[in-house]
This record gives sequence, structure tokens and C-alpha cells, in this order.
Amino acid sequence: EAGVAQSPRYKIIEKRQSVAFWCNPISGHATLYWYQQILGQGPKLLIQFQNNGVVDDSQLPKDRFSAERLKGVDSTLKIQPAKLEDSAVYLCASSWVGSRSPEQYFGPGTRLTVT
Amino acid sequence: SQQGEEDPQALSIQEGENATMNCSYKTSINNLQWYRQNSGRGLVHLILIRSNEREKHSGRLRVTLDTSKKSSSLLITASRAADTASYFCATDDQGAQKLVFGQGTRLTINP
Repeated sequence: EAGVAQSPRYKIIEKRQSVAFWCNPISGHATLYWYQQILGQGPKLLIQFQNNGVVDDSQLPKDRFSAERLKGVDSTLKIQPAKLEDSAVYLCASSWVGSRSPEQYFGPGTRLTVT
Repeated sequence: SQQGEEDPQALSIQEGENATMNCSYKTSINNLQWYRQNSGRGLVHLILIRSNEREKHSGRLRVTLDTSKKSSSLLITASRAADTASYFCATDDQGAQKLVFGQGTRLTINP
């Protein structure tokens, strides 16, 4: 089966600019996650969707970050305006719903550099 | 919030040796998972162990879970150069489907 797709793979922007990332999950996976991974750290969950509804966005900096999953399939994550501390890898993951198969499948990530 | 903490932060061994990484966590869990991340890549799921299990094997991987001590270990036997990567433990946050990752152990296998 095809894996989680993300684009772009790399992005360099100046602070205060905006940027958007796209993710297409594995077919049939109702749950989609966006993580931020700062260099040398583990991934931190930003937002979790189940179908097109938000399950958890408690760690999403809502003053500058937004995400949507309009048709319950692919998703976009936007940062506007970007700050230097947003430099990180943004990972998208997907999984089946429910606790019987809690494994998450990750995309390759988008490496964002804010200058 | 960071749930799991891996130990050591970095580990360097010779090819063929065994590598052991430890993970501690803070709250009750339904399951604990281990993931591998090669440099510049996304994470790959390795193995899941449920709270009612004590040990699990998958190929050269052995995972143990001690819920009384809130700790887990990952053993990689007969290491290979291709095992060079960062390894993360992740726990479900008090039974929720979301995962909370530790800081990871960076493993280097020297030929």
C-alpha cells in the first residue's frame, strides 16, 4: 500500500512569511496527526483529526498555526506568520481508528527553515 | 508534555554487539510503542507492547514492559550498520489514541 505522502520536503522562508504543508494519509486511515519535531527532540503532537473533526489541538499555537482536513482525507498545516523558533521538521502521520491498531504511519516530513 | 524519557541519549557500539535502550514514563498507559527514525526520514513503527504484556519479540528486537516501574526496554541483538538510527518510545497519553514521544536514543553501529 502507498505510504503517507507529504510535500514539500524542504522549505526555507524568512520570518514573518507564511508557509503551508500538505499531507495525504494512507487510504482508509481515519485518524491524521501533525507533529513538530525540533532538532534533537522527539515529535510533539500539534493536532489530531478523526475524519474531518479535530480531536486534540491543545498544543497547537493557534495564534499562528492552523490546520484543516476538509474532506476527511488530505490535510494542510499553515503557519502565518512564521517565527525563527518554528524551524523544525513537520511530520504527518495516520492510523486506523480505535485501540486495536494504534500504530501510526509517518510520512517523510517537511523540513522548515525560518531565517 | 514529554511522557517518555529514553536512556541513554546516545549509544555507540560495534557491529554484532547487542544494544539496549530504556524508556521511562509517568502516567498509566494502554500500550507502549517503539519507533525508529533514520537521519532525515520519518518514523517507522517497530513494535507495540500492551500493558498486560511483559515481553514481546520481533525478529532481532525484544521489548520488555514493567508497568509497576513504568519502564520499558528495547534490545536489538546482533546489531548491523543499518540499525544506526534514533529510537523513540511512545506511550498513549492515559489511554487516548494520541502518542507522547520521548527524546530518543541515538544509536550508532560502528563497522
